[in-house]
Amino acid sequence: DTEVTQTPKHLVMGMTNKKSLKCEQHMGHRAMYWYKQKAKKPPELMFVYSYEKLSINESVPSRFSPECPNSSLLNLHLHALQPEDSALYLCASSQAGRTSAYNEQFFGPGTRLTVL
Amino acid sequence: QQQVKQSPQSLIVQKGGISIINCAYENTAFDYFPWYQQFPGKGPALLIAIRPDVSEKKEGRFTISFNKSAKQFSLHIMDSQPGDSATYFCAPAIGSSNTGKLIFGQGTTLQVKP
Repeated sequence: DTEVTQTPKHLVMGMTNKKSLKCEQHMGHRAMYWYKQKAKKPPELMFVYSYEKLSINESVPSRFSPECPNSSLLNLHLHALQPEDSALYLCASSQAGRTSAYNEQFFGPGTRLTVL
Repeated sequence: QQQVKQSPQSLIVQKGGISIINCAYENTAFDYFPWYQQFPGKGPALLIAIRPDVSEKKEGRFTISFNKSAKQFSLHIMDSQPGDSATYFCAPAIGSSNTGKLIFGQGTTLQVKP
């Protein structure tokens, strides 16, 4: 199984709402990633988890809060978002370890988020 | 230092033609050079990748050419097909804290006309 699943596929939320995005993989990968992708732009790295610990935070605003409850799951909690946060949110996973740069990142289909 | 420049921004090719996309980078710490393919409504997927100790890698119709001294690598798609119509990203990688960090180029939208 080389699939990364993400739920929901679409999400519309108001600026005062609290919502969560979910990502799941069963490939035994110990590195998981959140990316943000605006239309016609490349994915931008937000967070990286390595062995269930946050290893990289690319200076993301605190209204985005990641969580890795176990090695298969990755959540992104959203609170008080702005309209400019509307984007496709992609989750990815890969093997972790010393030769990590060579490890293929497997991407999910993304959650299309609209903030009103 | 981590800037990646990809060209062209868009490309239209006739079916059966050759598509060429280029990527230039500045950071000499990059140690893996993948190309990702993204279809509308989907996440990116690894297409082909090369390590810096190799100058060329071919997988079917897809070839990466790598020039370490020029800090450039390119993707060649031979016999381009309408099904190849997608956005292509170069995404050189650097190892960081047991994970790989991809630095994406701006993307090239390829349209293959029947």
